[in-house]
Amino acid sequence: DADVTQTPRNRITKTGKRIMLECSQTKGHDRMYWYRQDPGLGLRLIYYSFDVKDINKGEISDGYSVSRQAQAKFSLSLESAIPNQTALYFCATSDFRTTRTGAYNEQFFGPGTRLTVL
Amino acid sequence: GENVEQHPSTLSVQEGDSAVIKCTYSDSASNYFPWYKQELGKRPQLIIDIRSNVGEKKDQRIAVTLNKTAKHFSLHITETQPEDSAVYFCAASKGVTGNTPLVFGKGTRLSVIA
Repeated sequence: DADVTQTPRNRITKTGKRIMLECSQTKGHDRMYWYRQDPGLGLRLIYYSFDVKDINKGEISDGYSVSRQAQAKFSLSLESAIPNQTALYFCATSDFRTTRTGAYNEQFFGPGTRLTVL
Repeated sequence: GENVEQHPSTLSVQEGDSAVIKCTYSDSASNYFPWYKQELGKRPQLIIDIRSNVGEKKDQRIAVTLNKTAKHFSLHITETQPEDSAVYFCAASKGVTGNTPLVFGKGTRLSVIA
């Protein structure tokens, strides 16, 4: 089945370290997203990309950077990790289509990466 | 930009009762409103969505209603079952143009008590 995968699934690191989270998809979707999830705060958008040459900041991009290496790959980097970046990180993809009743933009999420910064 | 408020943050119901989760949005140009369900330890998954040209949509035990004038939409789950226990997220976007990503509410943790 076509899917969205994330590596690593769990990571513990120390303050100041550089960390990269990777996302790959076999759905053939153009659009990819990175979210972080914190208890009580929902899903907050970090960065998104609508195609290989397109990168956009989301609600909480400070302290993060991204790279869209190919249609299927979208990486999130923490240049110098800090403890308040401890969270569950989700990658998602979507395929914008227009149907008779309107646009369709379902997002498919990866399994998540649990990051702990000590 | 868009802001989505979701209430309540937690909800407990007896098995077989109904559950209602409400969301409000701020941008009157938003026209696509999906609901995602996240079971414990799992990824969020779409369960139902509604577009602004429709006032209500049903899929078996779940339904979503939209009031564009008041800028709010609600998720209704009837005859709740233990497997409905999860965190539910509402979201909004300007889906017709497709140029804006989803903005999510903070989530509602639903517990169905057997």
